[in-house]
Amino acid sequence: DIQLTQSPSFLSASVGDRVTITCRASQGISSSLAWYQQKPGKAPKLLIHAASTLQSGVPSRFSGTGSGTEFTLTISSLQPEDFATYYCQQLNSFPLTFGGGTKVEIK
Amino acid sequence: EVQLVESGGGLVQPGGSLRLSCAASGFTFSDPFMDWVRQAPGKGLEWVGRIRNKLSSYSTEYAASVKGRFTISRDDSQNTLNLQMNSLKTEDTAVYYCARVIIGSRGFDPWGQGTLVTVSS
Repeated sequence: DIQLTQSPSFLSASVGDRVTITCRASQGISSSLAWYQQKPGKAPKLLIHAASTLQSGVPSRFSGTGSGTEFTLTISSLQPEDFATYYCQQLNSFPLTFGGGTKVEIK
Repeated sequence: EVQLVESGGGLVQPGGSLRLSCAASGFTFSDPFMDWVRQAPGKGLEWVGRIRNKLSSYSTEYAASVKGRFTISRDDSQNTLNLQMNSLKTEDTAVYYCARVIIGSRGFDPWGQGTLVTVSS
């Protein structure tokens, strides 16, 4: 199985900060990576697919880069509604797997 | 509006069975692959399984943790996805989400609101 390691698992940031979350895969997955945002009590929401393609309707302050084993999700200017938990997911091979999550909280 | 709505969750004893359903609307349900994902209380996301479309012979994939116990099916005429869960264990306690697989299997969008399954005596 492909393991996804997210870092950090928790980060504290202020409105307006630039935030970067990293996701490392235990083996190469090309660009088969998605990023999700989840708020408490809600279902996850797709932000980025194919490592760097912004899902329709998602603000442009979100961006994704990477391929192979190293990926990043960047929020260019953190907004109040961005405080949430973020997950990466690999769709390269079964079983599909998720990273452990990164909780972004208000500093 | 594209929407997925799960139902069927509840409290069940270990060893018991439960059937979850996911009602789809706002898109041509027969086209996409569909997946189930679960989330134990306070924990991260765990992929459960997939069912492909008619063109792909409705083939399925499962996580090792549920293989042989869970069965995914779909009724394209009723726009419904199902998850039959047998031999339930306490570790199956979770919120279960259905999700549509986007073209190219690049991600899941949208997700349903989730339904809670509690396995306890």
